[in-house]
Amino acid sequence: GAVVSQHPSWVICKSGTSVKIECRSLDFQATTMFWYRQFPKQSLMLMATSNEGSKATYEQGVEKDKFLINHASLTLSTLTVTSAHPEDSSFYICSARRAEETQYFGPGTRLLVL
Amino acid sequence: GQQLNQSPQSMFIQEGEDVSMNCTSSSIFNTWLWYKQEPGEGPVLLIALYKAGELTSNGRLTAQFGITRKDSFLNISASIPSDVGIYFCAGPLNTGFQKLVFGTGTRLLVSP
Repeated sequence: GAVVSQHPSWVICKSGTSVKIECRSLDFQATTMFWYRQFPKQSLMLMATSNEGSKATYEQGVEKDKFLINHASLTLSTLTVTSAHPEDSSFYICSARRAEETQYFGPGTRLLVL
Repeated sequence: GQQLNQSPQSMFIQEGEDVSMNCTSSSIFNTWLWYKQEPGEGPVLLIALYKAGELTSNGRLTAQFGITRKDSFLNISASIPSDVGIYFCAGPLNTGFQKLVFGTGTRLLVSP
């Protein structure tokens, strides 16, 4: 199979704090990982693309200093939401891609910033 | 940018009914993907279509890649309560699935 996990599955934090979300490909090495954000009753919006060992590529309108992505290995990528504010509350979903295959999605992380 | 519009936005049907939904684009796609997302979960791939005119089934699900390459259709036959969820179409923005653009989604509710 192609299993992708995320941790934590949900997190509540105070405004101004930073939150780290992990994305792991459990049974395969992912050449590329992607981070999406999904607001209630909306579609998935791509935030950034990350390849292992290189800087992430951010989509237009996504602040790279706000959403720090680290892709330290072929099985782990992390997204850190820095100085989180209530408007950052959302459902964050990662996906991982094996070479020349489609993306496999994680179960998502729900972030609530108070 | 490229947008994928899905219709209907939502459907509320009785168990046993057949369901049809579609996805249209203003530009051509070479691959169409259909995903299902259940509440609080990430999307799960249902069907992938790679060729114009292709018709592919996965159990009670059937999807078609439109001839114009600007649309795709998903049908669910004999719906059951566990079909509830949001169905998204998606297409890669470039070769190799480096980036996906998702449709607006069709929310399906099935009454037992």
